[in-house]
Amino acid sequence: DAGVIQSPRHEVTEMGQEVTLRCKPISGHDYLFWYRQTMMRGLELLIYFNNNVPIDDSGMPEDRFSAKMPNASFSNLKIQPSEPRDSAVYFCASSLLDSYNEQFFGPGTRLTVL
Amino acid sequence: QKEVEQDPGPLSVPEGAIVSLNCTYSNSAFQYFMWYRQYSRKGPELLMYTYSSGNKEDGRFTAQVDKSSKYISLFIRDSQPSDSATYLCAMSGGGKLIFGQGTELSVKP
Repeated sequence: DAGVIQSPRHEVTEMGQEVTLRCKPISGHDYLFWYRQTMMRGLELLIYFNNNVPIDDSGMPEDRFSAKMPNASFSNLKIQPSEPRDSAVYFCASSLLDSYNEQFFGPGTRLTVL
Repeated sequence: QKEVEQDPGPLSVPEGAIVSLNCTYSNSAFQYFMWYRQYSRKGPELLMYTYSSGNKEDGRFTAQVDKSSKYISLFIRDSQPSDSATYLCAMSGGGKLIFGQGTELSVKP
């Protein structure tokens, strides 16, 4: 298996622009997680899905952030409008139903908002 | 106060040293304790997984959980330069994982 795939790997955009981050989880995994990592706050859970259904989005910082999982093999995270404080590394992870704590992370998307 | 506290380091040791990494936590509902390893510019990967209290050994790595003290540790024996990475503790009570800040470890040849 190719593991969790994220695109793009790097994104540089200007304040106010819409940003879309994409994730393909490991085939057969039931959970999908979106995390954000910064030096100041560490690794924070933004939202997670179980069988494509959002379960907990309490970590989404503001209404500017939204995430969807239209099918079992794809999810996206959108930021609209983006702000400089959104600059971070965004990780997608997936896991099996009976191995929730064993999460497999993608390589991350490094986002810079100027 | 954060639910999980971890000293960010950095920690620098010579090759062959025994390394001790630690986390403390405040939520007594946590039952699942993990250590993830993150190499530079990569995603975290699960290294050790422990349920409840006790020790677990895997090769050069030993994870310890002391629920009475709300304290977990990861020991690395005979450390190697390839162990240089950031180590994040993570824990849950059956819900979402809460991660520590991560400790940056550098093992010098």
